[in-house]
Amino acid sequence: KAGVTQTPRYLIKTRGQQVTLSCSPISGHRSVSWYQQTPGQGLQFLFEYFSETQRNKGNFPGRFSGRQFSNSRSEMNVSTLELGDSALYLCASSPYSPRTGLNYGYTFGSGTRLTVV
Amino acid sequence: AQSVTQLDSHVSVSEGTPVLLRCNYSSSYSPSLFWYVQHPNKGLQLLLKYTSAATLVKGINGFEAEFKKSETSFHLTKPSAHMSDAAEYFCVVSDVNSGGYQKVTFGTGTKLQVIP
Repeated sequence: KAGVTQTPRYLIKTRGQQVTLSCSPISGHRSVSWYQQTPGQGLQFLFEYFSETQRNKGNFPGRFSGRQFSNSRSEMNVSTLELGDSALYLCASSPYSPRTGLNYGYTFGSGTRLTVV
Repeated sequence: AQSVTQLDSHVSVSEGTPVLLRCNYSSSYSPSLFWYVQHPNKGLQLLLKYTSAATLVKGINGFEAEFKKSETSFHLTKPSAHMSDAAEYFCVVSDVNSGGYQKVTFGTGTKLQVIP
């Protein structure tokens, strides 16, 4: 079965612009999480969606937002891009609700490499 | 508060020798623990997970990890390193936050170099 698909794979944007990244989870997975990975800060949790609702949020400014559609596909948006937003953005999906109390692990996509110039 | 510490940022081993990647965690509840591997320019792949069943967990590609509650450790081992094991490894702890949702914290990663 198809894995987690993230598009685009690479993106170059100019400071001040906005960007939208897309994630299609594994079929049947209803939970989608987003992470930012940078050499300096490592992997940081952005937010998690389940059944079209944001269930969990990390410590990122309001410029970072997301949504989830009824088919579980998710998008994240970054407005007013800054140079420091350059990173690999990873999406992960899980068949389990964030409230199950037992986490069986996530399946990650290959990421979108965003470069802000 | 939940945290995870990977004790080595870089580990170098010769091909065919054992691998040990160290991870210590802190959690207020009974955590779930994971190891993920990331090859260059790729996403993360789940190696193995501990979710309060057997304390010795076997994963893919010959890796295993032992949950030691008394030492709050979850070290990753492999008897014999292969060149294809060269990658970055992340230890992850997951428990439930005050709102009842899973809270996931990644370690800072350990880069494994395998010398031929």
